[in-house]
Amino acid sequence: RKEVEQDPGPFNVPEGATVAFNCTYSNSASQSFFWYRQDCRKEPKLLMSVYSSGNEDGRFTAQLNRASQYISLLIRDSKLSDSATYLCVVRGGYQKVTFGTGTKLQVIP
Amino acid sequence: DTGVSQNPRHKITKRGQNVTFRCDPISEHNRLYWYRQTLGQGPEFLTYFQNEAQLEKSRLLSDRFSAERPKGSFSTLEIQRTEQGDSAMYLCASSLVRGQGEKLFFGSGTQLSVL
Repeated sequence: RKEVEQDPGPFNVPEGATVAFNCTYSNSASQSFFWYRQDCRKEPKLLMSVYSSGNEDGRFTAQLNRASQYISLLIRDSKLSDSATYLCVVRGGYQKVTFGTGTKLQVIP
Repeated sequence: DTGVSQNPRHKITKRGQNVTFRCDPISEHNRLYWYRQTLGQGPEFLTYFQNEAQLEKSRLLSDRFSAERPKGSFSTLEIQRTEQGDSAMYLCASSLVRGQGEKLFFGSGTQLSVL
């Protein structure tokens, strides 16, 4: 089983739609969780951290479910500029940071 | 520019040659990671350092790969006897670990093509 698993997509959604991605992780001792965004042929960049109580940053909402070992990212009112690959990232305690394979989002006019 | 810097940006080499990549992290960052990424895949962990100590190396990594961070600042990744399957983007990231918090900042990567 992969340490971090994501649906690769692509998710094709119209502008203004709401879209959600899930990610599961295998290490129950994982402590820190993040979503990164990667544009085509660019390096990954931090989108947001994921906190136990859930957190929101503008149109983006991240949630963590420790019991089921998954995290989610919700994007409301999708913009064309949201088109990218969204990477789920997990860190176990003081251990290494592991990336999922990414979920590709394409927002259509 | 105070971000993570990687050199070279592109490297084309013939199969069997050795290549070396360099990464200069953000100066106060104590942790440095190397990842490899191929098209359509997420970054695959290769190895990481805390200061000058190499804490983990991926089991998937063959002995042809070696990385160093001799003074806890810049790092080099060497691939010996390159193979066509080594063609990928090699990404370096650095972070400042404080307690449980850690946010990675990536360089632009080195694109390796093995002919």
